[in-house]
Amino acid sequence: DQQVKQNSPSLSVQEGRISILNCDYTNSMFDYFLWYKKYPAEGPTFLISISSIKDKNEDGRFTVFLNKSAKHLSLHIVPSQPGDSAVYFCAASERAGGGADGLTFGKGTHLIIQP
Amino acid sequence: DSGVTQTPKHLITATGQRVTLRCSPRSGDLSVYWYQQSLDQGLQFLIQYYNGEERAKGNILERFSAQQFPDLHSELNLSSLELGDSALYFCASSVASQPYEQYFGPGTRLTVT
Repeated sequence: DQQVKQNSPSLSVQEGRISILNCDYTNSMFDYFLWYKKYPAEGPTFLISISSIKDKNEDGRFTVFLNKSAKHLSLHIVPSQPGDSAVYFCAASERAGGGADGLTFGKGTHLIIQP
Repeated sequence: DSGVTQTPKHLITATGQRVTLRCSPRSGDLSVYWYQQSLDQGLQFLIQYYNGEERAKGNILERFSAQQFPDLHSELNLSSLELGDSALYFCASSVASQPYEQYFGPGTRLTVT
């Protein structure tokens, strides 16, 4: 059973516009969420995170929004650039779970930035 | 470059065989994680070691085992290999104060024929 779901396998956005990637989760014990970015032939790279006590976290062009009641988070990239073309993974963890720091990942969304 | 190294990059072996994947974490990172990425399951957490001790287990099969050595490098051992074990295996490391900001290696692609 997928506890973290990214329902869009791919997303195409024009350069300069906003990219919005979505993620839903089912485990109400998750209290820390992250986005990772992955290029082909490389490992995932940490992008941005958010704790469940916040509803927004911003870092440059990247903003993550968390809606706990809807168990939904999204990543906004503004403006989108060609180098943003990659697979984006949503991940979650139960920080209060004690001991286990392994992340639960979604299956990823392939973002394609069109020139 | 994340600072995490994994060897080998590619491995092709036959069913029933045993292989060892190696990972060197970033300098100073005490935690090492292993993940498996297959086409149908996505990235799945297998196991975590912290300073030589097993800290957490995820969806790791009994045929798989891992260890972390005193120099903090880690090895993932996969035995009695099956076709379904073909996947990308990633190692990641982190500092104790930021366990969720994990730095991933480039992965080892295992093909079981």
